[in-house]
Amino acid sequence: GAGVSQTPSNKVTEKGKYVELRCDPISGHTALYWYRQSLGQGPEFLIYFQGTGAADDSGLPNDRFFAVRPEGSVSTLKIQRTERGDSAVYLCASSLTGSVSYNEQFFGPGTRLTVL
Amino acid sequence: DAKTTQPPSMDCAEGRAANLPCNHSTISGNEYVYWYRQIHSQGPQYIIHGLKNNETNEMASLIITEDRKSSTLILPHATLRDTAVYYCIVRVDQGGSEKLVFGKGTKLTVNP
Repeated sequence: GAGVSQTPSNKVTEKGKYVELRCDPISGHTALYWYRQSLGQGPEFLIYFQGTGAADDSGLPNDRFFAVRPEGSVSTLKIQRTERGDSAVYLCASSLTGSVSYNEQFFGPGTRLTVL
Repeated sequence: DAKTTQPPSMDCAEGRAANLPCNHSTISGNEYVYWYRQIHSQGPQYIIHGLKNNETNEMASLIITEDRKSSTLILPHATLRDTAVYYCIVRVDQGGSEKLVFGKGTKLTVNP
């Protein structure tokens, strides 16, 4: 079946611009996560949705970052006034439920964001 | 979540067993040990998890010491496609927060 998909696969933008990154989770998965990964580092947690609501947004670095999941399926990560330090691969993952501690997360291929 | 320590890199010959160690000396009684791997330019992929018993699936085996302070992921017959970064993660259900906390992992290179 279809896995987690992310669009675009690559995004190049200029400093100060606004960007939106999209994630399509596996159908039926109620939990959705955003991570970002800088070169040579492991993924870093940003935000976790259970259904439509953000259950944990403690990883968002500042108020330029915002994410939504209005219908409990597709999610959009929004970054305002981008900075060069925002350049990274942004990963999305989904899981069947967020209520069981050993639940497997399925990751998408990521969106590579480059801020010039 | 408890901190984990892994060697930065390891090499293995194709067809041989790859044994990847992980130290998690501050693990709590209700924390699970997870392993994920990330092949170049792809998202991480779940491999296996365990609490205190050894576990085996079609991909790997997980050996957890009796005191639970360390574990070893075993790929019994490594192939070139197993070349990846392997992450050991210790995780507890924090009242609904299901995030994974990744370290830098171990870069495993399988050589022909």
